[in-house]
Amino acid sequence: RKEVEQDPGPFNVPEGATVAFNCTYSNSASQSFFWYRQDCRKEPKLLMSVYSSGNEDGRFTAQLNRASQYISLLIRDSKLSDSATYLCVVNKGTGNQFYFGTGTSLTVIP
Amino acid sequence: SQTIHQWPATLVQPVGSPLSLECTVEGTSNPNLYWYRQAAGRGLQLLFYSVGIGQISSEVPQNLSASRPQDRQFILSSKKLLLSDSGFYLCAWSVQSYNEQFFGPGTRLTVL
Repeated sequence: RKEVEQDPGPFNVPEGATVAFNCTYSNSASQSFFWYRQDCRKEPKLLMSVYSSGNEDGRFTAQLNRASQYISLLIRDSKLSDSATYLCVVNKGTGNQFYFGTGTSLTVIP
Repeated sequence: SQTIHQWPATLVQPVGSPLSLECTVEGTSNPNLYWYRQAAGRGLQLLFYSVGIGQISSEVPQNLSASRPQDRQFILSSKKLLLSDSGFYLCAWSVQSYNEQFFGPGTRLTVL
């Protein structure tokens, strides 16, 4: 089983739609969780950290479910500029390593 | 504010040639530093990380090596490149082990 698994998509949604991504992780000792976005041929950029109580940043909401070992990202009122690949990132639990998912591709259509 | 630099942005090298990629971080002290590789259409693979000067941990056996000669400088090297070394090389830094990582702009390496 992969350490982090994401649905690769692609997700093609119209502007204004709400879209949700899930990510499952295998290491129950993981303590840090993040969502990054990566534009084509660019470096990943931190979108938001994921906290146990869930957190929101504008149109983006992230949630963590430790019991089921998954994190989610909800994007409301999708914009064209949201088109990117979204990476789920989970720390290993020990040491300095992070596991990166292979990403979910989102295209927002006019 | 902190910034991270990588160079060169793009590199085309013949098989068997040496490699040196440099990464520097500004605006922070004693960062954790990381080298990742992203092959086309694939996820990020951690190659090396460092928690301090001269301290290097390797994640996968390969013909690459890393060094940290200064607190905010991280270098990725190879004596002889292979075709399979082609990819997008990303340097990243974090404050501590569990904190978010921030990536440099990357170097796109093509080995011919």
